[in-house]
Amino acid sequence: KNEVEQSPQNLTAQEGEFITINCSYSVGISALHWLQQHPGGGIVSLFMLSSGKKKHGRLIATINIQEKHSSLHITASHPRDSAVYICAGNYGQNFVFGPGTRLSVLP
Amino acid sequence: DTEVTQTPKHLVMGMTNKKSLKCEQHMGHRAMYWYKQKAKKPPELMFVYSYEKLSINESVPSRFSPECPNSSLLNLHLHALQPEDSALYLCASSRAILLYGYTFGSGTRLTVV
Repeated sequence: KNEVEQSPQNLTAQEGEFITINCSYSVGISALHWLQQHPGGGIVSLFMLSSGKKKHGRLIATINIQEKHSSLHITASHPRDSAVYICAGNYGQNFVFGPGTRLSVLP
Repeated sequence: DTEVTQTPKHLVMGMTNKKSLKCEQHMGHRAMYWYKQKAKKPPELMFVYSYEKLSINESVPSRFSPECPNSSLLNLHLHALQPEDSALYLCASSRAILLYGYTFGSGTRLTVV
């Protein structure tokens, strides 16, 4: 069964803190995605990874193929980073979403 | 143009109404998707179109009827919906089916009364 898990489920941080969200997935993935969804809103694609590491602004995503694990890091977090972060994977013709991590960054 | 545009943003409809949701992209993407998302849950795939042909139907009830009139447009026709169909409906597109990065629309918040 194709599965994507995330931790933590909820995360509260103070502004400026370094944040890590973890994702683990079952074997068979061809690409892993990190997505951001603001309350009541659409989804923004942050990264698509098949190996290594990607950086965009204060966001860094890494993937370890052997461990079947990916992390999303946010440096110098800001209240506008408050959102749900979703890890998702391509399994052939299936696109499997993780349950999401609800992040709140307090000023 | 790097966006997926969904209209309307909000829709309230009665159980006997017929309405349509619209999704448009001009990025040359040949795969388009409809997702349904309930509160605090991840999106659930409903339909996938590839090159204007229905490729995947995730056993969606017939009261939801998708249509892809051309490579830029994707519609979702709604008829005789139930209150439990109230959700956020998200459209997405990608260069090719399920193999590339996605671009998502901002969604249509549907309430069935």
